[in-house]
Amino acid sequence: EPEVTQTPSHQVTQMGQEVILRCVPISNHLYFYWYRQILGQKVEFLVSFYNNEISEKSEIFDDQFSVERPDGSNFTLKIRSTKLEDSAMYFCASRRLLASVQETQYFGPGTRLLVL
Amino acid sequence: RKEVEQDPGPFNVPEGATVAFNCTYSNSASQSFFWYRQDCRKEPKLLMSVYSSGNEDGRFTAQLNRASQYISLLIRDSKLSDSATYLCVVNSEGGKLIFGQGTELSVKP
Repeated sequence: EPEVTQTPSHQVTQMGQEVILRCVPISNHLYFYWYRQILGQKVEFLVSFYNNEISEKSEIFDDQFSVERPDGSNFTLKIRSTKLEDSAMYFCASRRLLASVQETQYFGPGTRLLVL
Repeated sequence: RKEVEQDPGPFNVPEGATVAFNCTYSNSASQSFFWYRQDCRKEPKLLMSVYSSGNEDGRFTAQLNRASQYISLLIRDSKLSDSATYLCVVNSEGGKLIFGQGTELSVKP
């Protein structure tokens, strides 16, 4: 069964450093998402991406964050200058199409980011 | 008011018990509703979509009450493997998913 993959599974970085989290969505999916989950808290939406541009972003997704689809398969989240509060689990998700309101999103296994 | 609200639990039940989870949502324009399951430190996985007419999948039954903006999940004959956090999820118009805090379930032998 096709699945969303993410790399790395864990990343430890120093405050102020840049990190890039990578995702490979399911191949025939058109809509891509990033969510994050701070330890002990709920899953929060960060950004959605369709047709090579951001379609929606949350208040969390400030100028320190960016997303890119550099080729036909990868979808990346970059954090330019990490802060302690960026420590969280970051999930990538993809969806096939928007027309069906029941179409669900499939999540990758996540990248656990720890900022020291 | 929170966009999606759930009782955080934990619910501690014996094997074989029936357990019910409730959820309320604030946006009356919401169109799609789901229950996801999340095991410790893992990704959310779709358990079932929730339809207006209610739907059942084996031991799991989901109900939606649009007038009350209320969603429920019933688990019958609970198994040890049902232990997890159950996430009530609402799909906004733009497609993003809005998650509740989750309800923790622990099924004991």
